Amino acid sequence: KQEVTQIPAALSVPEGENLVLNCSFTDSAIYNLQWFRQDPGKGLTSLLLIQSSQREQTSGRLNASLDKSSGRSTLYIAASQPGDSATYLCAVLLYTGRRALTFGSGTRLQVQP
Amino acid sequence: EAGVVQSPRYKIIEKKQPVAFWCNPISGHNTLYWYLQNLGQGPELLIRYENEEAVDDSQLPKDRFSAERLKGVDSTLKIQPAELGDSAVYLCASSLGSTSGLSYNEQFFGPGTRLTVL
Repeated sequence: KQEVTQIPAALSVPEGENLVLNCSFTDSAIYNLQWFRQDPGKGLTSLLLIQSSQREQTSGRLNASLDKSSGRSTLYIAASQPGDSATYLCAVLLYTGRRALTFGSGTRLQVQP
Repeated sequence: EAGVVQSPRYKIIEKKQPVAFWCNPISGHNTLYWYLQNLGQGPELLIRYENEEAVDDSQLPKDRFSAERLKGVDSTLKIQPAELGDSAVYLCASSLGSTSGLSYNEQFFGPGTRLTVL
């Protein structure tokens, strides 16, 4: 059974810092990996999607990398802002079995002004 | 383009009462998902539809939960009767899907329905 782990569970940083969120998964036979943002009481906003054949994706200040062989992905946030405060979730889609995303429990990020 | 629409946004009911949630996916998206999210956890799949067919409902508690997607567009998720442990956020998502059956495309989520069972 695929398991997705996110470390750290919570993170507090001062504004302007560059930071890295980590995601690891146990089954490397993934089709893609998605990073989401969730604000309190809200749904999930898709940030980046990395196909299994890709190594990284970038969008603005966000960069996500994927290393399938080691079962790891990182989300890099450059020059963090208070508006980045949210919970960040990673999720993987397997080639086989259930054709639905398996999520980690998320990293709760707070950026202090 | 409108995103995934869900209603209601919030629902408070007494235990043993019925409740229903509605979802309208992004236009043209063939695949629709219902996820359950408990506090402090990531979402977990309840049911997945490819068009009007429920192709994965293995985690749906069928003694009390039911779902339908008539005409392959909107979907309704129902709980009857609700239990205290059903308090959670119910998320609907959609994706383009594919003819091969592998939903490889990006999933887009609605705002969710927060259910509180008293």
